[in-house]
Amino acid sequence: EVQLVESGGGLVQPGGSLRLSCAASGFTFSSYWMSWVRQAPGKGLEWVANIKQDGSEKYYVDSVKGRFTISRDNAKNSLYLQMNSLRAEDTAVYYCARDQQLTVTSIDEVYYYYYMDVWGKGTTVTVSS
Amino acid sequence: DIQMTQSPSSLSASVGDRVTITCRASQSISSYLNWYQQKPGKAPKLLIYAASSLQSGVPSRFSGSGSGTDFTLTISSLQPEDFATYYCQQSYSTAWTFGQGTKLEIK
Repeated sequence: EVQLVESGGGLVQPGGSLRLSCAASGFTFSSYWMSWVRQAPGKGLEWVANIKQDGSEKYYVDSVKGRFTISRDNAKNSLYLQMNSLRAEDTAVYYCARDQQLTVTSIDEVYYYYYMDVWGKGTTVTVSS
Repeated sequence: DIQMTQSPSSLSASVGDRVTITCRASQSISSYLNWYQQKPGKAPKLLIYAASSLQSGVPSRFSGSGSGTDFTLTISSLQPEDFATYYCQQSYSTAWTFGQGTKLEIK
């Protein structure tokens, strides 16, 4: 069974740090981009970051740049999110998700479509004093 | 960043109704548009990818269309289990963004 299980959430004071983990199973983890997505209480979804298969490319939403770091350990089938300088507005449920790729080839171009097809159940981060 | 705007933000409908949700991008995103369904306390679920491709296992009453800046998600005949919040999401740019969501409620 394809599965993602997040852990590491909890209560942390403003300015503090937390490291989230996501354990993958049931698929070849090293073959996929992976993402973190968060959802503040009562709010919508916000994509946070993603990372290429070998960790050589990483992208972030502007609001976390310089504070959060996404990483992965393919030998351990694990994804991480190191969160520093936490703020109250970082309070959310954090989901990890698998980025699936669809390749479409036309006569002279190749198109890569990405979408998040497998999601974990999430881990809750609360930033409060 | 590319802004995604959904309309309406909420919608009341009855079982058996045909429902359409709209998503508009702040710039052209070709067909790099996905739709998700989320129920309270649960993780999102992928419904449609690349604007119009139905994810495996998703009922055929769900369909997606559009290209460029304007997209729609249609549910042809609402079922009780379809009452949820729906999100569009673009993967055209390296910074992915979601729409604000459309909450579909029972009339």
